[in-house]
Amino acid sequence: QVQLVQSGAEVKKPGASVKVSCKASGYTFSIYEIHWVRQAPGQRLEWMGRVNGDNGNTKFSQKFQGRVTLTRDTSASTAYMELSSLRSEDTAVYYCARDTYFGDGLDIWGQGTVVTISS
Amino acid sequence: DIQLTQSPSFLSASVGDRVTITCRASQDISSYLAWYQQNPGKAPKLLIYAASTLQSGVPSRFSGSGSGTEFTLTISSLQPEDFATYYCQQLNSYPRTFGQGTKVEIK
Repeated sequence: QVQLVQSGAEVKKPGASVKVSCKASGYTFSIYEIHWVRQAPGQRLEWMGRVNGDNGNTKFSQKFQGRVTLTRDTSASTAYMELSSLRSEDTAVYYCARDTYFGDGLDIWGQGTVVTISS
Repeated sequence: DIQLTQSPSFLSASVGDRVTITCRASQDISSYLAWYQQNPGKAPKLLIYAASTLQSGVPSRFSGSGSGTEFTLTISSLQPEDFATYYCQQLNSYPRTFGQGTKVEIK
C-alpha cells in the first residue's frame, strides 16, 4: 500500500544538526512532491518546505530559510530533511507528507519523527 | 504570508450534533483550501481538498464549503471517532500555512 515511513526519534544538543528520512513505497516517487510539516508540543501544524520528487526543486518557509535542507534520492524513493543550528524551540514532531498530484492537499503522511533538543 | 484563523478554537459537542468550523483567510485563496483531522499522537488525515471535495474513504457526514476568504467544515452528525482536532491549510501560495486548529471534545 502507499505509505511513507520515517526514521526514528532523535535527541540532539543545541547547535547540532538533525537529518530525518522519509521512505516512500507503493507509488512512483518521482511524480509527487514531499512536504515537511512540524508540530511543537501543544502547538499547531507548521509548514516547513517541500521538495519535488522529480527534479529536486525546493520551496521553504522564510522562517527556516538557511537552516533547512531538503533533498531526495529517487533511486531509494527517499526524501530527507536536515535542520541545522538546532535550538530548544525546534523540539517537535516532524512529519513528511505527500502532496496530491494536483497539489491540493497532503494525502499521505509519515508516522512522524520526534526530535528533542536538550543540553 | 497568508494567515488562517479558525473559529472556534475549542468546541464541546455531543454525539449526533451538527458541528460547523470556520476558517477565514487573510486574503483571497479561491478554493485552494484543505481540511485535516488529527487525533492525539497521530499524523493528520486529509478530509477535504479544493474546499469542498471529499477525500476518498472519508465518511459523507463530512462536508466543506466556501471560497475566497471564508470556508466551513461541517460534520452533519458527530460520531465518537470524530472527537479530534481539525486544521485548515491554504494551498494558494507559499508558505502553505495552517490554521491554529479547532479541538472538538465530548460534552
